[in-house]
Amino acid sequence: ETGVTQTPRHLVMGMTNKKSLKCEQHLGHNAMYWYKQSAKKPLELMFVYNFKEQTENNSVPSRFSPECPNSSHLFLHLHTLQPEDSALYLCASSRELAGSSYNEQFFGPGTRLTVL
Amino acid sequence: GDSVTQMEGPVTLSEEAFLTINCTYTATGYPSLFWYVQYPGEGLQLLLKATKADDKGSNKGFEATYRKETTSFHLEKGSVQVSDSAVYFCALSDQARAQKLVFGQGTRLTINP
Repeated sequence: ETGVTQTPRHLVMGMTNKKSLKCEQHLGHNAMYWYKQSAKKPLELMFVYNFKEQTENNSVPSRFSPECPNSSHLFLHLHTLQPEDSALYLCASSRELAGSSYNEQFFGPGTRLTVL
Repeated sequence: GDSVTQMEGPVTLSEEAFLTINCTYTATGYPSLFWYVQYPGEGLQLLLKATKADDKGSNKGFEATYRKETTSFHLEKGSVQVSDSAVYFCALSDQARAQKLVFGQGTRLTINP
């Protein structure tokens, strides 16, 4: 149990659907992340939120829309996706401390997304 | 930009065998280096880390030494167990952008009894 939960665990959607992925952390952290894990490709950072503010957008297409209503919840809204967007989407969180060079990121189990 | 290269998998070993998973990196400055492990159906977990040259990270019998001269951070374990079967990821973070982890492609390890 890592303290980071993701729902749903599996999602199948058509290219015209709109769906959302949810992430919740129970660790009291102040930073949250979305990563994409595709087959045979390195894990890719998509978005970073610090204290609910987006601080990193790694050139992600606009069909992926993140939302962070508070430090414990993070959403990824999906619309008009393409089959190549099929992947495992991982959420992570960390406690960011001023002056620290690195703070451990804790990952959720991921949502396996299939776009038909 | 920064990058991490891991040995291609999958790797299959017998129980009690010696394990090495190679990892090399390219980075400007002095990155921190990490090994993460992903067990089936779970998210990534930090296995060990090293934040400066010649540091050795260790955990659960695994070790890796930060080698600046060879830009490497190879993962080793003297005697693997079936429960070590997982996917292992090498990663780095740059000091200037500590939250941005750059991962290798992962190496799937299977240990047979």
